[in-house]
Amino acid sequence: EVRLLESGGGLGQPGGSLRLSCATSGLTFNNYAMTWVRQAPGKGLEWVSAISGSGAYTYYADSVKGRFTISRDNSKNTLYLQMNSLRAEDTAVYYCAKDYYYDSSALGGAFDVWGQGTMVTVSS
Amino acid sequence: QSALTQPPSASGSPGQSVTISCTGTSSDVGGYNYVSWYQQHPGKAPKLMIFEVSKRPSGVPDRFSGSKSGNTASLTVSGLQAEDEADYYCISFAAANNLIFGGGTKLTVL
Repeated sequence: EVRLLESGGGLGQPGGSLRLSCATSGLTFNNYAMTWVRQAPGKGLEWVSAISGSGAYTYYADSVKGRFTISRDNSKNTLYLQMNSLRAEDTAVYYCAKDYYYDSSALGGAFDVWGQGTMVTVSS
Repeated sequence: QSALTQPPSASGSPGQSVTISCTGTSSDVGGYNYVSWYQQHPGKAPKLMIFEVSKRPSGVPDRFSGSKSGNTASLTVSGLQAEDEADYYCISFAAANNLIFGGGTKLTVL
């Protein structure tokens, strides 16, 4: 069974940084692109960032481009999201999700396994 | 880019069918066949229901179907059941390597 477990959420200061992790198990991690999706309290889903299986290709939503960095360590089966220059509007539950497609570097928007989410609150 | 447009709410009685629309532009929904649909129950992670406009992942009941016409994609739930009550979100690939979600639709089973 494929499992994803996010960690690293918590309270961040405006202008500060947080690093989220997503530990995975039950899959050949380097064969799948991974994605971060967030959901502000009481709001809808927002795609944040994605990375190809090899890590060679990365994609970002305009709202986080230049502030967030997605990365992965395939030796540790772990996905990361480095969040810098935090803003109040970054407050959300952050989900990591596995791409449905095997060995694809394209953005298909199909994510078949999700973590339980980690809450990030940006406030002074 | 703006979120795709979904109706805030939809409803139907058990056994009925309901269709949820997702309207974008030629730069997203209309330009690509990469539209997916997610079901989200309160406090839970989203679940993939439809991908590539009309394909169902293994384990998703065939009561769920997807289609697209022009810039509008649609999710139809047939034979409504109580457990179908949830929020539904569409997502589409968009130009310049973006993914855009719809605002979400709350489906109520009366």
